[in-house]
Amino acid sequence: AQSVTQLDSQVPVFEEAPVELRCNYSSSVSVYLFWYVQYPNQGLQLLLKYLSGSTLVESINGFEAEFNKSQTSFHLRKPSVHISDTAEYFCAVSDAGRGSNYKLTFGKGTLLTVNP
Amino acid sequence: SQTIHQWPATLVQPVGSPLSLECTVEGTSNPNLYWYRQAAGRGLQLLFYSVGIGQISSEVPQNLSASRPQDRQFILSSKKLLLSDSGFYLCAWSSNYGYTFGSGTRLTVV
Repeated sequence: AQSVTQLDSQVPVFEEAPVELRCNYSSSVSVYLFWYVQYPNQGLQLLLKYLSGSTLVESINGFEAEFNKSQTSFHLRKPSVHISDTAEYFCAVSDAGRGSNYKLTFGKGTLLTVNP
Repeated sequence: SQTIHQWPATLVQPVGSPLSLECTVEGTSNPNLYWYRQAAGRGLQLLFYSVGIGQISSEVPQNLSASRPQDRQFILSSKKLLLSDSGFYLCAWSSNYGYTFGSGTRLTVV
């Protein structure tokens, strides 16, 4: 069985400050890793994913995450946040051996609040 | 392009009433389909997934059921709602490129 731990349920930051949202996972098999973002009363949108290759993955809006196999982590970072980044962020994992369309296990989410 | 439709967006139902939430996918064939529930402070919990017509796997024991009568249709149902069924329900489909989620249904059982 797989599990995902997001250590911080809420992260308040000021605009233009850097931010790191932490994610650790537990799995006995190889995994694919994902970050999703959810704006209020909306569905989830894929932010970025790690399937294979380079352990550092980037999104189009300045977020990046690094897969660290030894620490079983996939932390999300952004060097300078904007008010519009305020949302809930979910880390998720799936079994790599079953393909990237296999069912996801989610963390409980981190609410990022960017203040002016 | 592939799209996913989920309705209704919000629903208020009394305890003991039935439930039917529908999800349809366009622009793809034989997708893997999923129902997730999001409760406050508990993240997303996978309820059911389906790899084909009539094939339903249940992840957790509960008061809900799911059906897939057509390739691109996935229905979440209950015969009698409980207060604990309140939450935000999300349908999703997956391909080798990842997951796509619907816009969700906010269900409040009163």
